[in-house]
Amino acid sequence: DAGVTQSPTHLIKTRGQQVTLRCSPKSGHDTVSWYQQALGQGPQFIFQYYEEEERQRGNFPDRFSGHQFPNYSSELNVNALLLGDSALYLCASSLAGGDSPLHFGNGTRLTVT
Amino acid sequence: EDQVTQSPEALRLQEGESSSLNCSYTVSGLRGLFWYRQDPGKGPEFLFTLYSAGEEKEKERLKATLTKKESFLHITAPKPEDSATYLCAVQAEEYGNKLVFGAGTILRVKS
Repeated sequence: DAGVTQSPTHLIKTRGQQVTLRCSPKSGHDTVSWYQQALGQGPQFIFQYYEEEERQRGNFPDRFSGHQFPNYSSELNVNALLLGDSALYLCASSLAGGDSPLHFGNGTRLTVT
Repeated sequence: EDQVTQSPEALRLQEGESSSLNCSYTVSGLRGLFWYRQDPGKGPEFLFTLYSAGEEKEKERLKATLTKKESFLHITAPKPEDSATYLCAVQAEEYGNKLVFGAGTILRVKS
């Protein structure tokens, strides 16, 4: 049973560029959440997608956008990259219903130079 | 103001030396408190969910407990393979569906 898979695993971009990160949820899960984890910190909620709609959003600027596809996979897009966007980006999937535990992928390590 | 605070930031134990990690929270309307383990370069791995004060969950050498203001993760006779960062997170009515994480406790167990 495949867990949450994310691609790519590592990425280096230059300030001002745009990036797209991808996520396939755990089999049977229909809800995808994205988190940003800076070094030495806990993950910070970016947004959550369910039924191809953004269900909830955290305190991140509009440069961060996402999408969910009919097969429940998801993308995270970040425009106009800043140095401060360097972090581990984690995708988590769960079942709709609120209290279902999140299952995380191993993340994409984004470095902005 | 931090809503979820974990202590200590780092903990070094000898193999077999039992200890506890603390997670305190100040949210209202708690819907669930979650413990995760995170190894370097990996995503968090789900350990436990606790829903109400007095609840306890166990898995191998780990036991999680919950009160109205904090949770403890007790590690009994730890082994080097228990070395990891342990994260707690809360889901609350005021937050909707998101989890709010603490900064984690880095545990090192030496043989």
